Amino acid sequence: GAVVSQHPSWVICKSGTSVKIECRSLDFQATTMFWYRQFPKKSLMLMATSNEGSKATYEQGVEKDKFLINHASLTLSTLTVTSAHPEDSSFYICSARAPGLAGEQYFGPGTRLTVT
Amino acid sequence: AQTVTQSQPEMSVQEAETVTLSCTYDTSESDYYLFWYKQPPSRQMILVIRQEAYKQQNATENRFSVNFQKAAKSFSLKISDSQLGDAAMYFCAYIWFGNEKLTFGTGTRLTIIP
Repeated sequence: GAVVSQHPSWVICKSGTSVKIECRSLDFQATTMFWYRQFPKKSLMLMATSNEGSKATYEQGVEKDKFLINHASLTLSTLTVTSAHPEDSSFYICSARAPGLAGEQYFGPGTRLTVT
Repeated sequence: AQTVTQSQPEMSVQEAETVTLSCTYDTSESDYYLFWYKQPPSRQMILVIRQEAYKQQNATENRFSVNFQKAAKSFSLKISDSQLGDAAMYFCAYIWFGNEKLTFGTGTRLTIIP
């Protein structure tokens, strides 16, 4: 149980375009989802917390107009990178809070974004 | 602010041997949870073990066990009978009961020597 999927697993886009990454909880309802960014050989950096039906809460230093987050349902959150630049190239990981186990998060497999 | 420190950026161990990964944290809270996550080359984060701060008994999951020292704010992970599949980045993480955000350490890269 507690499976989280992400789509796509890898995406290449051209500079200036936008790209959407989906995060789905497959077998549970997630009232809260999280988006992380991970640079090579580094730890996970929390970008934003996404709650179903409300605006996302962004961490300090994260541009909310560049990284648009929508939590449209209890099983789906999306991250849209707008006007992508090569410096946005990174590994993006989502997670969802598992019901019943306080504090525990289950992670998606991640999305590798390359901006050319 | 809560911080999590992993002082060993890299560790290596011979296959079938035992290795201990260190983690310390700083918090003023009394109710919190601690986790060890594993990130293999696939980069999928996998929960290895969790510990509730109110529990004195150290958590164990098969070959994985922790040494939780609440007063010292230490939370080390012991891997017994190391296997090649244990090779990965290991992240220590903390979450306060009243918060939703995980705080991660910087990670320890574990290499298993055949």
